[in-house]
Amino acid sequence: GAGVSQSPRYKVAKRGQDVALRCDPISGHVSLFWYQQALGQGPEFLTYFQNEAQLDKSGLPSDRFFAERPEGSVSTLKIQRTQQEDSAVYLCASSPSGGPRETQYFGPGTRLLVL
Amino acid sequence: AQTVTQSQPEMSVQEAETVTLSCTYDTSESDYYLFWYKQPPSRQMILVIRQEAYKQQNATENRFSVNFQKAAKSFSLKISDSQLGDAAMYFCAFLGGSQGNLIFGKGTKLSVKP
Repeated sequence: GAGVSQSPRYKVAKRGQDVALRCDPISGHVSLFWYQQALGQGPEFLTYFQNEAQLDKSGLPSDRFFAERPEGSVSTLKIQRTQQEDSAVYLCASSPSGGPRETQYFGPGTRLLVL
Repeated sequence: AQTVTQSQPEMSVQEAETVTLSCTYDTSESDYYLFWYKQPPSRQMILVIRQEAYKQQNATENRFSVNFQKAAKSFSLKISDSQLGDAAMYFCAFLGGSQGNLIFGKGTKLSVKP
């Protein structure tokens, strides 16, 4: 079946612009995760949903970052007033029910460049 | 707080040879899970192998195996009969028994020489 998909794959934004990144998880997967991967680094956790409920947003770096999953499937990560330090690859992952024993399946990521 | 350390930023191996990638972690939990993910240049993260901390037996997946030393908090990945397609970034990751998100190391870039 289809894996996790993300769009757009690449995004160039001018500093101060708002951006929206989309994640389509594997069909039926309950849990959805967002990670931020800076160049040359490992991914870092941003936020986590179980269905439409955002259970953990402790990794969001500032109040300019906002994520939603209103119908428990597709999720959008929004970054307001982008800054150069927001340049990174944003990875989305999903798992069947989000239990700690489950493997997370990753999408290809969205590479964001803020100029 | 849990941490994951990969001390080898880059490694190189000759095709058909064996290579071991190192990973250490720090946690006070007794129930947790460890993973190795592969990230090729296309950037899609792919699970290579996983290990449950309560299992003493080391996980194996075809040419990939781990050496899990719980007391030493060490979780190394051995790749046997290396192939050109194994060239990628490899990330070690930790998942606590009560948490949802993965904690990643900084990665090891593996090159495979023909």
